[in-house]
Amino acid sequence: DGGITQSPKYLFRKEGQNVTLSCEQNLNHDAMYWYRQDPGQGLRLIYYSQIVNDFQKGDIAEGYSVSREKKESFPLTVTSAQKNPTAFYLCASSIVGANGYTFGSGTRLTVV
Amino acid sequence: AQSVTQLDSHVSVSEGTPVLLRCNYSSSYSPSLFWYVQHPNKGLQLLLKYTSAATLVKGINGFEAEFKKSETSFHLTKPSAHMSDAAEYFCVVSALYGGATNKLIFGTGTLLAVQP
Repeated sequence: DGGITQSPKYLFRKEGQNVTLSCEQNLNHDAMYWYRQDPGQGLRLIYYSQIVNDFQKGDIAEGYSVSREKKESFPLTVTSAQKNPTAFYLCASSIVGANGYTFGSGTRLTVV
Repeated sequence: AQSVTQLDSHVSVSEGTPVLLRCNYSSSYSPSLFWYVQHPNKGLQLLLKYTSAATLVKGINGFEAEFKKSETSFHLTKPSAHMSDAAEYFCVVSALYGGATNKLIFGTGTLLAVQP
């Protein structure tokens, strides 16, 4: 079955550590996205990529980094520079220019 | 600029009664609009989408929404709520962002509770 896989489902990180969230898709979609979800704020765009080896900052990119070395993969690194990293992170993909995304099931990151 | 406003952060209904989740949008051109549903600790699932075809859009699980340009609204309805409908619902508008990519702009969500 085609879809998006995010791992792990739950992640705990100590303050000051970097952590990488995985996102893999087998839908042959060119575009991939990372969103952050906080209670009462909806989803906010962190980074997006329309093609391999290229990505763009979204609305809240500070403290995050991404790479797009393969079409299928778009990992997100939450760095120690991110002031408030505890959140639910959602990865999505789409055909470039198409309406609507397919979402993964999310990773809940907690800083302890 | 495109935006959406979900008018209720929480809605509570009894099982078997109608559901109405309200959404108003702002767009400088004819928008694409969506409703997504999210169950606890899960990803988002597309319920339905409007892309300038019929103004009454039917989605999955008995939900539908009507695009009303004069009222800039895209309210989500269902005739009879089921317990399994309890979830958070997001109204979303699509906007061009950085070229060909469509950026989805999310409302803040409406949490639907269904009482037995």
